[in-house]
Amino acid sequence: KAGVTQTPRYLIKTRGQQVTLSCSPISGHRSVSWYQQTPGQGLQFLFEYFSETQRNKGNFPGRFSGRQFSNSRSEMNVSTLELGDSALYLCASSRGGRAFTDTQYFGPGTRLTVL
Amino acid sequence: DQQVKQNSPSLSVQEGRISILNCDYTNSMFDYFLWYKKYPAEGPTFLISISSIKDKNEDGRFTVFLNKSAKHLSLHIVPSQPGDSAVYFCAASADSGAGSYQLTFGKGTKLSVIP
Repeated sequence: KAGVTQTPRYLIKTRGQQVTLSCSPISGHRSVSWYQQTPGQGLQFLFEYFSETQRNKGNFPGRFSGRQFSNSRSEMNVSTLELGDSALYLCASSRGGRAFTDTQYFGPGTRLTVL
Repeated sequence: DQQVKQNSPSLSVQEGRISILNCDYTNSMFDYFLWYKKYPAEGPTFLISISSIKDKNEDGRFTVFLNKSAKHLSLHIVPSQPGDSAVYFCAASADSGAGSYQLTFGKGTKLSVIP
């Protein structure tokens, strides 16, 4: 069974630009969650999508948005990039029971650097 | 305000001995707790979880204990193996309102198992 894949693996952008990251979940998984990992704040939950709808949301500004397609693939968009958005962005997929109680499988992450 | 705290950034244990990783939380609304393991350059891997209605959950060498009155969670690894060397994150989930759930992580404890 193929794991969670994220593209691209590395990305360099400049302040003010926008970026779109992609996540392909494990086949049959309907839930995709996104996380940001930074040295200072650690791992933080961004949002979760289930059946093309945002089901749960963390405490991030509206510059961070996402969507999920009918095949469960998900994209995350960050607009008007700031230096502090430099981070490892992880996505995780699960079958889709109550959020976080089904085992989540993480992808390797996308390393975003904002210059 | 850090709702989930792992006060030990690092821990060293001899192979074959018990590793005990601790986690404290402040939000009494947390009702589901998880432990993840993370190797460098990889996404986190789910280890074990526990619902707030239980005080212990065991899976092979891994046991999680929950003390709700003390708002304390611990992960025991017995016996510890060199392959267990990784960063361990505890995480807690709560309904943040209107059925929307959030997942909050601790900053992690780096476990080193010495052969």
